[in-house]
Amino acid sequence: QTVVTQEPSFSVSPGGTVTLTCGFNSGSVSTNYYPTWYQQTPGRAPRTLIYSTNTRSSGVPDRFSGSILGNKAALTITGAQADDESDYYCVLYMGSYWVFGGGTKLTVL
Amino acid sequence: EVQLLESGGDLVQPGGSLRLSCAAAGFTFNSDAMNWVRQAPGKGLEWVSLIDGTGGVTYYADSVKGRFTISRDNSKNTLYLQMNSLRADDTAVYYCAKGSPFAYWGQGTLVTVSS
Repeated sequence: QTVVTQEPSFSVSPGGTVTLTCGFNSGSVSTNYYPTWYQQTPGRAPRTLIYSTNTRSSGVPDRFSGSILGNKAALTITGAQADDESDYYCVLYMGSYWVFGGGTKLTVL
Repeated sequence: EVQLLESGGDLVQPGGSLRLSCAAAGFTFNSDAMNWVRQAPGKGLEWVSLIDGTGGVTYYADSVKGRFTISRDNSKNTLYLQMNSLRADDTAVYYCAKGSPFAYWGQGTLVTVSS
């Protein structure tokens, strides 16, 4: 069974930089898994931030960026703002199905 | 502007059935794969099912395989999810999502399975 792992929680200071990661138990994440990142606030639908590793979705500020770091996908937020406080989910494509990570709750304080 | 509007969520007893719909607008519906993704209360996102643009290719998560059926009517720009043999752990907000990966999302419809 494929398990996609994310940090359960993270904290960043306003104006700071944070990197969230997305790994899985079957090896290394590569661009072949089309890692995609979503932001979700309580009671709202997810919003697409980054798709196919590092492509920003329309309207997403350039302080959000995606990459591969080591054997994981990564989402970096540069210059964190108060309204970045949200849940962040990654998803990986496994050929015929998608698997979400458990999400990271980001606190900005 | 892409619009996705889910409907059909309800309270249903264990073992029951329900059909969800997702009305799409603002894009060429038959050119895009569509998905259902769910989120149990207080939990994370779970991909449920995918259908390609023609409706000829479908995939399912193991948790729903054999119980749920995804389909689409391209003449009506509508996506469906037929859910049978519902269980308590199917309780969730169900989102339809456009594309693969999921570029656009609807606002979701709540399915509650409880006696």
